[in-house]
Amino acid sequence: DVKVTQSSRYLVKRTGEKVFLECVQDMDHENMFWYRQDPGLGLRLIYFSYDVKMKEKGDIPEGYSVSREKKERFSLILESASTNQTSMYLCASSFPPGQGTDGELFFGEGSRLTVL
Amino acid sequence: EDKVVQSPLSLVVHEGDTVTLNCSYEVTNFRSLLWYKQEKKAPTFLFMLTSSGIEKKSGRLSSILDKKELFSILNITATQTGDSAIYLCGWGGEKLTFGTGTRLTIIP
Repeated sequence: DVKVTQSSRYLVKRTGEKVFLECVQDMDHENMFWYRQDPGLGLRLIYFSYDVKMKEKGDIPEGYSVSREKKERFSLILESASTNQTSMYLCASSFPPGQGTDGELFFGEGSRLTVL
Repeated sequence: EDKVVQSPLSLVVHEGDTVTLNCSYEVTNFRSLLWYKQEKKAPTFLFMLTSSGIEKKSGRLSSILDKKELFSILNITATQTGDSAIYLCGWGGEKLTFGTGTRLTIIP
């Protein structure tokens, strides 16, 4: 079975703390994505990566960074967490367009982050 | 800027009703339009549409794409309480851009 695993389902952090959200996929997908989901705003893309060590800004990258040292792992980093980063974070992966399921995203179960 | 707009934002119907969810898009380099259902956890894939006018069906759910008018609809017939969820529409290309989703609630 296809699997995207996010290491933490629930996190509570304090303002100013550094936060790491880890995501691992076992499907050998080239593409990986981080979204955040907020009521009324839907899913918004933070960063994505086409390959190891490559990263591209999504629609709302401010306050976030990412790391992709291995193909299967994509990490989202909040250097100094703020209360407006309280959200549900979803990781996803896919094959590149023209391969496999051509654009279909496979999602992890989400990490709910609360910043106090 | 690429945009995906879903309507309505929320919908409450009775079990057995038929519903139509809408998704319109303004995107460059369109490749595919995808529908997902999200209950409590991760969104799960429903349909991928790439060609205009060809309906895709899965049980009581169906979807169709109109590339000329730039919209897609998702129909659910004979709704059940298990259909209660957020339905997400996204445009697929190099990345997947989503709309805000439609929250569907089915009342028994």
